[in-house]
Amino acid sequence: EAGVTQFPSHSVIEKGQTVTLRCDPISGHDNLYWYRRVMGKEIKFLLHFVKESKQDESGMPNNRFLAERTGGTYSTLKVQPAELEDSGVYFCASSRQGQGGEAFFGQGTRLTVV
Amino acid sequence: QKEVEQDPGPLSVPEGAIVSLNCTYSNSAFQYFMWYRQYSRKGPELLMYTYSSGNKEDGRFTAQVDKSSKYISLFIRDSQPSDSATYLCAMKGGANNLFFGTGTRLTVIP
Repeated sequence: EAGVTQFPSHSVIEKGQTVTLRCDPISGHDNLYWYRRVMGKEIKFLLHFVKESKQDESGMPNNRFLAERTGGTYSTLKVQPAELEDSGVYFCASSRQGQGGEAFFGQGTRLTVV
Repeated sequence: QKEVEQDPGPLSVPEGAIVSLNCTYSNSAFQYFMWYRQYSRKGPELLMYTYSSGNKEDGRFTAQVDKSSKYISLFIRDSQPSDSATYLCAMKGGANNLFFGTGTRLTVIP
């Protein structure tokens, strides 16, 4: 069974540009999460999809971040326009339906805004 | 105050030693407790998953949860160089989002 897959693995963009990160969850996992780790800090929650619906987006930093999950399958996280403080590692995770399911993480996308 | 506190280390031990990793937390609503292992440039890999208080053992790994003290531990017996990684504690309550510690970097010296 394939794990959670994220693209790209690394992205370097200039301040003001747009970047789109993609996550393919484990097949059959209804829950999809985005997390972010900025340098020196803990991994922090951004948002949670249940199928195609946003269940909780309380962790999204501001309206420059837009997440979508097309048809309840893969998800994208767009940052537009990117700022220097957006640099970090963005992780995607997925879990089965329900509250107690174990979350499995992708390898992350390292975003560097210069 | 952070939701989850974890000593970042680094922690270095000789091969074969018993390793103890710990986290404390402040939110009494947390019910599910996890330990993840993360190798450099990789994503967190789930090691142990426990619900509520008690112990759980899996091979060389033992997870302990003491909800009365808001304290969780991960013990690694007979540590190996391949155990060298960053260990992250994580927990959640009624919602599905996880709260992480900052991670402890462990090096097992051959």
